[in-house]
Amino acid sequence: GNSVTQMEGPVTLSEEAFLTINCTYTATGYPSLFWYVQYPGEGLQLLLKATKADDKGSNKGFEATYRKETTSFHLEKGSVQVSDSAVYFCALSEAAGNKLTFGGGTRVLVKP
Amino acid sequence: GAVVSQHPSRVICKSGTSVKIECRSLDFQATTMFWYRQFPKKSLMLMATSNEGSKATYEQGVEKDKFLINHASLTLSTLTVTSAHPEDSSFYICSAFGASGTSTDTQYFGPGTRLTVL
Repeated sequence: GNSVTQMEGPVTLSEEAFLTINCTYTATGYPSLFWYVQYPGEGLQLLLKATKADDKGSNKGFEATYRKETTSFHLEKGSVQVSDSAVYFCALSEAAGNKLTFGGGTRVLVKP
Repeated sequence: GAVVSQHPSRVICKSGTSVKIECRSLDFQATTMFWYRQFPKKSLMLMATSNEGSKATYEQGVEKDKFLINHASLTLSTLTVTSAHPEDSSFYICSAFGASGTSTDTQYFGPGTRLTVL
């Protein structure tokens, strides 16, 4: 079956530091890949996505590239802010309309 | 666009009572809705998939008689937790796939409902 593995947190950073959250996946086909963010007390928001190999998703300074050869979709941001403190979830979907398989989530705390 | 709402945002109930949670797609028609459960500091666990006009498909281990799902229209799905017990306390989140006018490979999530059973 499908699975998503992401680095465990919490990740604690200082403001303006570089952030990387590793995500690898196992899937039978060619899934779409997603990063969702959950701010404290809120539901999930789509951060970015990529639907095929070598695609790069980007939003709000975050980027992730769909690497088929390493089955990875690592999330990066060059300079984090306190407002980026949240839980980040990597996920995949086998096809449009299909359920999402989530990783365990990575809590990120950015200190001033 | 692509906003999903949930109501209520928080509910506290006594053990043995039933609680209904609504999930609405506000500006698009949702052909498929999903219900998730999230435990504290944990990931989301898919409970069931709900398609408009048909019976929900439940994930293994989820009691269909306890968690009743109804998807009566293209903009509304409801989850009823029947005879709730303290172990049902959790954060319940719905999501929806849109039809035309939205990205068809993206799920849009509601803000979640915090259920506390005393």
